[in-house]
Amino acid sequence: NAGVTQTPKFRILKIGQSMTLQCTQDMNHNYMYWYRQDPGMGLKLIYYSVGAGITDKGEVPNGYNVSRSTTEDFPLRLELAAPSQTSVYFCASSYPSYTDTQYFGPGTRLTVL
Amino acid sequence: AQSVTQLDSHVSVSEGTPVLLRCNYSSSYSPSLFWYVQHPNKGLQLLLKYTSAATLVKGINGFEAEFKKSETSFHLTKPSAHMSDAAEYFCVVSETGNQFYFGTGTSLTVIP
Repeated sequence: NAGVTQTPKFRILKIGQSMTLQCTQDMNHNYMYWYRQDPGMGLKLIYYSVGAGITDKGEVPNGYNVSRSTTEDFPLRLELAAPSQTSVYFCASSYPSYTDTQYFGPGTRLTVL
Repeated sequence: AQSVTQLDSHVSVSEGTPVLLRCNYSSSYSPSLFWYVQHPNKGLQLLLKYTSAATLVKGINGFEAEFKKSETSFHLTKPSAHMSDAAEYFCVVSETGNQFYFGTGTSLTVIP
């Protein structure tokens, strides 16, 4: 099992550009999450999903969109990138509920200039 | 409202001595509490969790934590630090599946 994989590992965007951060898990987990981690801070939940076709907002959803068409994939879309979105983004998954262990991907380091 | 306060941003211990990482939480209901560890340039890994069962929770790599409702604390301990324990540690509180609140982290340094 590869676990949770994220692509790309690094990306530099210009202000106003858009991009999609990819997240895939091969553990057949129903719950998936997107977090951002700013320097010296804990993680903040952006969006989460309890299964294919079901997504909901977390603590900091503004400026992001998600979709969940399959159990495996949970892409995060940034529209009109802003410097405030410079961060490290982590995807995670868990099964069968949110109280169970979350398995994290290695992260995507995004810089918006 | 939920929140987590990690009382120390940095902790240094000598190898072989005990580790104590402190976490206080705020929650209106019965929370689930977690400790995660993050090694440099890696994703997070669960150390242990409390979900309203036994108040003393044992985790991986010799770590344990005690849920104290009266003190709203969930401190992480280990009897003897190992060099491989050097990492960032996060305390997390959650009441529902859509709200996870992470502390700002405690950086643990282990001195040989």
